[in-house]
Amino acid sequence: DVKVTQSSRYLVKRTGEKVFLECVQDMDHENMFWYRQDPGLGLRLIYFSYDVKMKEKGDIPEGYSVSREKKERFSLILESASTNQTSMYLCASSLTRTGSSYEQYFGPGTRLTVT
Amino acid sequence: QQQVKQSPQSLIVQKGGISIINCAYENTAFDYFPWYQQFPGKGPALLIAIRPDVSEKKEGRFTISFNKSAKQFSLHIMDSQPGDSATYFCAASGGHDMRFGAGTRLTVKP
Repeated sequence: DVKVTQSSRYLVKRTGEKVFLECVQDMDHENMFWYRQDPGLGLRLIYFSYDVKMKEKGDIPEGYSVSREKKERFSLILESASTNQTSMYLCASSLTRTGSSYEQYFGPGTRLTVT
Repeated sequence: QQQVKQSPQSLIVQKGGISIINCAYENTAFDYFPWYQQFPGKGPALLIAIRPDVSEKKEGRFTISFNKSAKQFSLHIMDSQPGDSATYFCAASGGHDMRFGAGTRLTVKP
């Protein structure tokens, strides 16, 4: 079974703090993704990575950065947290799209509250 | 701009009834159309998916209907059960790009 784990289920931070969200997958997937989930907006892609040290901006990268130093680990960084970054953050991973390898596997999410 | 539009936002169905959720997409380059199911406190999990070379796919009580010319696809849940109560997301994917609908909260009443 593919397993995607996220470092925290719930996190409360203050405005201006630097926040690290960690994601680890155990299936040797090349691709990893960070989404945020907000009611009525679905899942919106923040960043994705298709290889170690590689990253691509998604739809809403402003205020975020990412790091992928090892294949299994993808970190999302909020350089200076703001209240509008209060959200559910979901990490996902997938194999490179060859054959039928399309599915993204999601972690349980981190609910971040910025006060 | 939302590339995948999903409706309805919420749906209440009686046990044993049929639940229908609809999605429409814009980008004709999309070539993979999954549906994800999400229970409270959990991440989304793949429920069923279809490629555009077929018009229908059925897995148990769950069926995807796909209309390539209309750029629409839908999820049908037959004999809906209270355990199906969850949020459902449609998505459309091409390459690394996967776009999600806004989600439908399904409640199945006993």
